[in-house]
Amino acid sequence: KAGVTQTPRYLIKTRGQQVTLSCSPISGHRSVSWYQQTPGQGLQFLFEYFSETQRNKGNFPGRFSGRQFSNSRSEMNVSTLELGDSALYLCASSPQLAGGPDTQYFGPGTRLTVL
Amino acid sequence: KNEVEQSPQNLTAQEGEFITINCSYSVGISALHWLQQHPGGGIVSLFMLSSGKKKHGRLIATINIQEKHSSLHITASHPRDSAVYICAVPNYGGSQGNLIFGKGTKLSVKP
Repeated sequence: KAGVTQTPRYLIKTRGQQVTLSCSPISGHRSVSWYQQTPGQGLQFLFEYFSETQRNKGNFPGRFSGRQFSNSRSEMNVSTLELGDSALYLCASSPQLAGGPDTQYFGPGTRLTVL
Repeated sequence: KNEVEQSPQNLTAQEGEFITINCSYSVGISALHWLQQHPGGGIVSLFMLSSGKKKHGRLIATINIQEKHSSLHITASHPRDSAVYICAVPNYGGSQGNLIFGKGTKLSVKP
């Protein structure tokens, strides 16, 4: 099976712009989570989607949003970019067949730089 | 909210040494994850464990649910083991994809 893919891999934007990142989970996986990684804060949970519904949201401002499509692919959007949004954005998918603990399979990440 | 503490933050070892990385968490969990991140950013899941011990090659992970503590051991360490090792647990009251992470242990193995 193909792994989790994320596009684009690298992105440079300027303050005030918006950006959309895409994540394609492993085939058959229904849960997609998004995480932000910065040198200062480490890895932080953004949100989780399951069957097109947002199941959880982390402590991020409303500028961060996401969605999941019927084929489980997910996008996240950041509007009105700030310098502090520069980070590695990772998505992870899991099967979530039985509702119990699942191994998370991570994508390679999208490195966003805001100038 | 679950709190996750990892130690040490940095670890330098000589090739062949036995490595131990520790992780403690504050709230009871269903499972704990050990992750490996190489320079460049990609994260690989090494273990997910709910109890006892798991072994994969030279890597061993243990968890003590009562003491809320887990350890990751690397036997006969090798320079290719150099990476950041991160433990993660589900956030209290959250779903399995809502993870809280430790700050990571940066391991450098010298030949």
